[in-house]
Amino acid sequence: GENVEQHPSTLSVQEGDSAVIKCTYSDSASNYFPWYKQELGKGPQLIIDIRSNVGEKKDQRIAVTLNKTAKHFSLHITETQPEDSAVYFCAATLSTGFQKLVFGTGTRLLVSP
Amino acid sequence: GAVVSQHPSRVICKSGTSVKIECRSLDFQATTMFWYRQFPKQSLMLMATSNEGSKATYEQGVEKDKFLINHASLTLSTLTVTSAHPEDSSFYICSARGLAGIHEQYFGPGTRLTVT
Repeated sequence: GENVEQHPSTLSVQEGDSAVIKCTYSDSASNYFPWYKQELGKGPQLIIDIRSNVGEKKDQRIAVTLNKTAKHFSLHITETQPEDSAVYFCAATLSTGFQKLVFGTGTRLLVSP
Repeated sequence: GAVVSQHPSRVICKSGTSVKIECRSLDFQATTMFWYRQFPKQSLMLMATSNEGSKATYEQGVEKDKFLINHASLTLSTLTVTSAHPEDSSFYICSARGLAGIHEQYFGPGTRLTVT
């Protein structure tokens, strides 16, 4: 089955710096890759996603890149702000069944003022 | 758009009792809903997938008789934890997905269950 690995597990940056979180997946037939932001005690919030027919997608300070050949995708946050501090999860859909999401282990991002 | 609610947000119950958690899609019809469990500082673990009007499909290792799931309408799914024990204490989160072929899953705010 699908396996998603996520690095780093923790990431500390200064306000204004960029942050990059990387994920790799194992199922070459996976076709949808969302990123979620989870604040303490809350449910995950979809912040950006990318489909397998696209190599890059950007939404203001957030961007996601996908390399299908290498089976990895990355989240890029530019001009980080303290309110970006949260746990970020990548995920990939299984290509079979109900297209369930398989989540990475999460990255705790801390943005210091 | 794409708002999912959960009720209650927090619940404390005694060991041996049952607890029902509701998940509602407020502004879209959810053909598929998912139930996850999350332990502190860990990732989300899928428990089961439910389609409206069908029996839920449970992940390996999840007891279907203990975690009863009902998806009676396109906007409501419920998870009942039966005969709860302290080890069932966790953060339970539902997500909802719209029309078939649409990938996006939207998550509820979660329910913190504490079994004493």
